[in-house]
Amino acid sequence: DGGITQSPKYLFRKEGQNVTLSCEQNLNHDAMYWYRQDPGQGLRLIYYSQIVNDFQKGDIAEGYSVSREKKESFPLTVTSAQKNPTAFYLCASSTRDSEAFFGQGTRLTVV
Amino acid sequence: QKEVEQNSGPLSVPEGAIASLNCTYSDRGSQSFFWYRQYSGKSPELIMSIYSNGDKEDGRFTAQLNKASQYVSLLIRDSQPSDSATYLCAVMTSGTYKYIFGTGTRLKVLA
Repeated sequence: DGGITQSPKYLFRKEGQNVTLSCEQNLNHDAMYWYRQDPGQGLRLIYYSQIVNDFQKGDIAEGYSVSREKKESFPLTVTSAQKNPTAFYLCASSTRDSEAFFGQGTRLTVV
Repeated sequence: QKEVEQNSGPLSVPEGAIASLNCTYSDRGSQSFFWYRQYSGKSPELIMSIYSNGDKEDGRFTAQLNKASQYVSLLIRDSQPSDSATYLCAVMTSGTYKYIFGTGTRLKVLA
């Protein structure tokens, strides 16, 4: 089945630790996106990529990093510089200027 | 800052009634508009996309777009308790292939 797979579903991070969230899609979509959602809030764009080996910062990129080495994969690293990382992280993909489809999300908690 | 605005609600309607959800956007050059439904703790799922002025119907859902007024709406006919969720409006900004999301409207359908 085609879709977007995010892993893990739940992730716990200690203070000062870097963690990486995985996002894989088999929809042959060119564009991929990472959003952050805080309780009761909308989606805020962290990074997006329109083609392999290229990506752009979104509205809240500080403390995050990404790579796009393969069309299917767009991992997000939450670095220790992100001081308030507890949130629901959503990965999405799309063909250009059509609807985006989302993975099931990763819930990150700082412990 | 290009924005998408929605009334946060909650919007309460009785079962069987029509629910009307509204969204305004600031980027006059936006070309693509989307409605997503998000249940608590889950990822957004696409309901409708609309690209040209007028109405687009899909089952119990109708999306309406008025580019001159920078306004997009979603009507849900014969509302059911299972429609209770947060509805997110998304706009693709012109020339960037970024999706900007509103903060969502929480809908409650009362049985």
